[in-house]
Amino acid sequence: EIVLTQSPATLSLSPGERATLSCRASQSVRSYLAWYQQKPGQAPRLLIYDASNRATGIPARFSGSGSGTDFTLTISSLEPEDFAVYYCQQRDTWPLTFGGGTKVEIK
Amino acid sequence: EVNLLESGGGLVQPGGSLRLSCAASGFTFSTYVMHWVRQAPGKGLEWVSVIAASDNGARYADSVKGRFTISRDNSQNTIYLQMNSLRDQDTAIYYCAKGLSNVPSSPGDYWGQGTLVTVSS
Repeated sequence: EIVLTQSPATLSLSPGERATLSCRASQSVRSYLAWYQQKPGQAPRLLIYDASNRATGIPARFSGSGSGTDFTLTISSLEPEDFAVYYCQQRDTWPLTFGGGTKVEIK
Repeated sequence: EVNLLESGGGLVQPGGSLRLSCAASGFTFSTYVMHWVRQAPGKGLEWVSVIAASDNGARYADSVKGRFTISRDNSQNTIYLQMNSLRDQDTAIYYCAKGLSNVPSSPGDYWGQGTLVTVSS
Protein backbone atom coordinates (compact mmCIF):
# COMPACT_ATOMS: atom_id res chain seq x y z
CA GLU A 1 0.00 0.00 0.00
CA ILE A 2 1.03 3.61 -0.49
CA VAL A 3 2.51 5.21 2.61
CA LEU A 4 1.98 8.93 3.12
CA THR A 5 4.49 10.70 5.36
CA GLN A 6 3.49 14.09 6.74
CA SER A 7 5.93 16.63 8.08
CA PRO A 8 6.45 18.20 10.43
CA ALA A 9 4.52 16.27 13.06
CA THR A 10 3.83 19.53 14.90
CA LEU A 11 3.99 23.10 13.64
CA SER A 12 4.01 25.89 16.22
CA LEU A 13 2.95 29.20 14.74
CA SER A 14 1.21 32.45 15.68
CA PRO A 15 -2.03 33.79 14.20
CA GLY A 16 -1.31 35.68 11.01
CA GLU A 17 1.71 33.56 10.10
CA ARG A 18 1.98 31.35 7.04
CA ALA A 19 1.76 27.58 7.51
CA THR A 20 3.37 25.12 5.11
CA LEU A 21 2.54 21.44 5.58
CA SER A 22 4.15 18.62 3.61
CA CYS A 23 2.89 15.21 2.49
CA ARG A 24 5.21 12.77 0.73
CA ALA A 25 3.99 9.56 -0.93
CA SER A 26 5.99 6.33 -1.13
CA GLN A 27 5.14 6.16 -4.84
CA SER A 28 3.45 8.46 -7.31
CA VAL A 29 -0.19 9.24 -6.64
CA ARG A 30 -0.37 11.56 -9.65
CA SER A 31 -2.63 14.42 -8.50
CA TYR A 32 -4.99 12.24 -6.47
CA LEU A 33 -4.33 13.76 -3.07
CA ALA A 34 -6.73 15.35 -0.61
CA TRP A 35 -6.27 17.38 2.57
CA TYR A 36 -8.53 17.33 5.62
CA GLN A 37 -8.73 19.39 8.78
CA GLN A 38 -9.81 17.89 12.09
CA LYS A 39 -10.47 19.73 15.33
CA PRO A 40 -10.72 17.97 18.71
CA GLY A 41 -13.98 16.09 19.11
CA GLN A 42 -15.06 16.81 15.54
CA ALA A 43 -15.22 14.88 12.31
CA PRO A 44 -12.70 15.61 9.57
CA ARG A 45 -13.49 18.33 7.06
CA LEU A 46 -12.43 18.16 3.42
CA LEU A 47 -10.28 21.16 2.45
CA ILE A 48 -8.57 20.27 -0.82
CA TYR A 49 -9.09 17.48 -3.34
CA ASP A 50 -7.03 16.35 -6.32
CA ALA A 51 -4.03 18.29 -5.02
CA SER A 52 -5.21 21.82 -5.63
CA ASN A 53 -9.02 22.08 -5.76
CA ARG A 54 -10.65 23.76 -2.80
CA ALA A 55 -13.76 22.02 -1.52
CA THR A 56 -17.06 23.87 -1.22
CA GLY A 57 -16.98 26.67 1.33
CA ILE A 58 -13.25 26.50 2.03
CA PRO A 59 -11.61 29.91 2.42
CA ALA A 60 -9.08 31.07 -0.16
CA ARG A 61 -6.29 31.19 2.45
CA PHE A 62 -6.08 27.39 2.07
CA SER A 63 -4.23 26.21 -1.03
CA GLY A 64 -2.76 22.94 -2.19
CA SER A 65 -0.01 22.14 -4.64
CA GLY A 66 2.13 19.29 -5.89
CA SER A 67 1.94 16.13 -7.96
CA GLY A 68 3.59 12.74 -8.06
CA THR A 69 5.09 12.17 -4.63
CA ASP A 70 5.41 15.63 -3.05
CA PHE A 71 2.50 17.78 -1.94
CA THR A 72 2.04 20.94 0.09
CA LEU A 73 -0.87 22.48 1.96
CA THR A 74 -0.39 26.20 2.56
CA ILE A 75 -2.42 28.37 4.89
CA SER A 76 -1.49 31.89 3.87
CA SER A 77 -2.36 33.64 7.13
CA LEU A 78 -3.45 31.58 10.13
CA GLU A 79 -6.77 32.42 11.72
CA PRO A 80 -7.53 31.30 15.30
CA GLU A 81 -9.91 28.62 13.98
CA ASP A 82 -7.17 27.05 11.81
CA PHE A 83 -5.30 25.50 14.73
CA ALA A 84 -6.08 21.82 14.26
CA VAL A 85 -4.70 18.55 12.90
CA TYR A 86 -4.34 18.18 9.14
CA TYR A 87 -4.32 14.89 7.24
CA CYS A 88 -3.51 14.05 3.64
CA GLN A 89 -5.15 11.12 1.82
CA GLN A 90 -4.36 9.49 -1.51
CA ARG A 91 -6.95 8.00 -3.83
CA ASP A 92 -4.66 6.84 -6.64
CA THR A 93 -4.26 3.22 -5.54
CA TRP A 94 -6.31 0.82 -3.41
CA PRO A 95 -6.42 0.75 -0.49
CA LEU A 96 -6.99 4.44 0.14
CA THR A 97 -4.51 5.65 2.75
CA PHE A 98 -4.07 8.62 5.06
CA GLY A 99 -0.94 10.27 6.34
CA GLY A 100 -0.21 10.37 10.05
CA GLY A 101 -1.19 14.02 10.43
CA THR A 102 0.37 17.39 11.21
CA LYS A 103 -0.77 19.29 14.27
CA VAL A 104 -0.78 23.06 13.85
CA GLU A 105 -0.61 24.56 17.32
CA ILE A 106 -0.54 28.07 18.70
CA LYS A 107 2.96 29.27 19.51
CA GLU B 1 -28.25 20.47 4.05
CA VAL B 2 -26.30 17.21 4.02
CA ASN B 3 -26.66 15.21 7.22
CA LEU B 4 -25.09 11.87 8.14
CA LEU B 5 -26.00 10.11 11.37
CA GLU B 6 -24.15 7.01 12.51
CA SER B 7 -25.53 4.56 15.05
CA GLY B 8 -24.95 1.06 16.35
CA GLY B 9 -21.68 1.50 18.20
CA GLY B 10 -21.07 0.10 21.64
CA LEU B 11 -19.06 -2.33 23.75
CA VAL B 12 -18.50 -5.81 22.33
CA GLN B 13 -16.26 -8.68 23.35
CA PRO B 14 -13.39 -9.86 21.16
CA GLY B 15 -14.71 -12.25 18.53
CA GLY B 16 -18.14 -10.64 18.65
CA SER B 17 -20.16 -8.84 15.98
CA LEU B 18 -21.73 -5.44 15.56
CA ARG B 19 -23.64 -3.69 12.79
CA LEU B 20 -23.23 0.03 12.26
CA SER B 21 -25.72 2.17 10.36
CA CYS B 22 -25.39 5.57 8.73
CA ALA B 23 -28.60 7.41 7.82
CA ALA B 24 -28.17 10.09 5.16
CA SER B 25 -30.28 13.06 4.13
CA GLY B 26 -30.01 16.27 2.16
CA PHE B 27 -28.64 14.85 -1.10
CA THR B 28 -29.51 12.30 -3.81
CA PHE B 29 -28.17 9.33 -1.90
CA SER B 30 -28.22 6.80 -4.74
CA THR B 31 -25.78 8.80 -6.89
CA TYR B 32 -22.84 8.99 -4.48
CA VAL B 33 -20.36 6.52 -3.11
CA MET B 34 -20.20 6.19 0.66
CA HIS B 35 -17.21 5.45 2.88
CA TRP B 36 -16.48 4.20 6.36
CA VAL B 37 -13.37 5.65 8.02
CA ARG B 38 -12.23 4.92 11.56
CA GLN B 39 -10.04 6.58 14.15
CA ALA B 40 -8.58 4.71 17.11
CA PRO B 41 -8.44 6.72 20.36
CA GLY B 42 -5.75 9.39 20.06
CA LYS B 43 -4.65 8.13 16.64
CA GLY B 44 -4.96 9.12 13.01
CA LEU B 45 -7.54 8.30 10.37
CA GLU B 46 -7.80 4.88 8.72
CA TRP B 47 -9.94 4.26 5.65
CA VAL B 48 -12.07 1.12 6.12
CA SER B 49 -14.40 0.59 3.18
CA VAL B 50 -16.34 2.15 0.32
CA ILE B 51 -19.50 1.12 -1.49
CA ALA B 52 -20.42 2.16 -5.01
CA ALA B 53 -23.42 4.36 -5.70
CA SER B 54 -25.78 1.82 -7.20
CA ASP B 55 -24.19 -1.56 -7.99
CA ASN B 56 -23.03 -2.40 -4.50
CA GLY B 57 -19.44 -2.84 -5.62
CA ALA B 58 -17.21 -2.50 -2.55
CA ARG B 59 -13.58 -2.19 -1.50
CA TYR B 60 -11.99 -2.86 1.88
CA ALA B 61 -8.82 -2.14 3.81
CA ASP B 62 -6.67 -5.23 4.23
CA SER B 63 -7.10 -4.98 8.00
CA VAL B 64 -10.84 -5.68 7.76
CA LYS B 65 -11.14 -7.73 4.56
CA GLY B 66 -13.06 -10.95 5.17
CA ARG B 67 -14.42 -9.71 8.51
CA PHE B 68 -16.36 -6.54 7.63
CA THR B 69 -19.09 -6.14 5.00
CA ILE B 70 -20.40 -2.83 3.74
CA SER B 71 -23.87 -2.57 2.22
CA ARG B 72 -26.42 0.07 1.35
CA ASP B 73 -30.18 0.43 1.04
CA ASN B 74 -30.91 3.23 -1.40
CA SER B 75 -34.62 3.08 -0.55
CA GLN B 76 -33.76 3.95 3.07
CA ASN B 77 -30.83 6.29 2.34
CA THR B 78 -28.72 4.19 4.67
CA ILE B 79 -25.42 2.37 4.61
CA TYR B 80 -24.32 -0.37 6.95
CA LEU B 81 -21.11 -1.91 8.19
CA GLN B 82 -21.41 -5.48 9.43
CA MET B 83 -18.40 -6.18 11.62
CA ASN B 84 -17.61 -9.77 12.55
CA SER B 85 -14.72 -11.42 14.41
CA LEU B 86 -13.97 -8.14 16.14
CA ARG B 87 -10.52 -7.58 17.62
CA ASP B 88 -9.16 -5.21 20.24
CA GLN B 89 -7.52 -3.17 17.47
CA ASP B 90 -10.91 -2.49 15.89
CA THR B 91 -11.68 -0.15 18.80
CA ALA B 92 -12.27 3.25 17.23
CA ILE B 93 -14.71 5.97 16.32
CA TYR B 94 -16.31 4.93 13.04
CA TYR B 95 -17.28 7.74 10.68
CA CYS B 96 -19.37 7.48 7.56
CA ALA B 97 -18.58 9.93 4.79
CA LYS B 98 -20.28 10.87 1.54
CA GLY B 99 -18.05 10.67 -1.51
CA LEU B 100 -17.49 13.79 -3.54
CA SER B 101 -18.80 11.99 -6.65
CA ASN B 102 -19.84 8.55 -7.92
CA VAL B 103 -16.19 7.60 -8.43
CA PRO B 104 -15.39 4.93 -5.82
CA SER B 105 -12.13 6.55 -4.76
CA SER B 106 -13.57 10.06 -4.44
CA PRO B 107 -12.74 11.74 -1.10
CA GLY B 108 -15.30 12.27 1.62
CA ASP B 109 -16.82 15.73 1.42
CA TYR B 110 -19.36 15.38 4.22
CA TRP B 111 -18.86 13.35 7.39
CA GLY B 112 -21.03 12.20 10.25
CA GLN B 113 -20.06 12.75 13.87
CA GLY B 114 -19.08 9.12 14.32
CA THR B 115 -20.04 6.22 16.53
CA LEU B 116 -17.68 4.64 19.06
CA VAL B 117 -16.96 0.92 18.91
CA THR B 118 -15.11 -0.56 21.86
CA VAL B 119 -13.85 -4.14 21.67
CA SER B 120 -12.90 -5.38 25.10
CA SER B 121 -13.46 -8.28 27.44
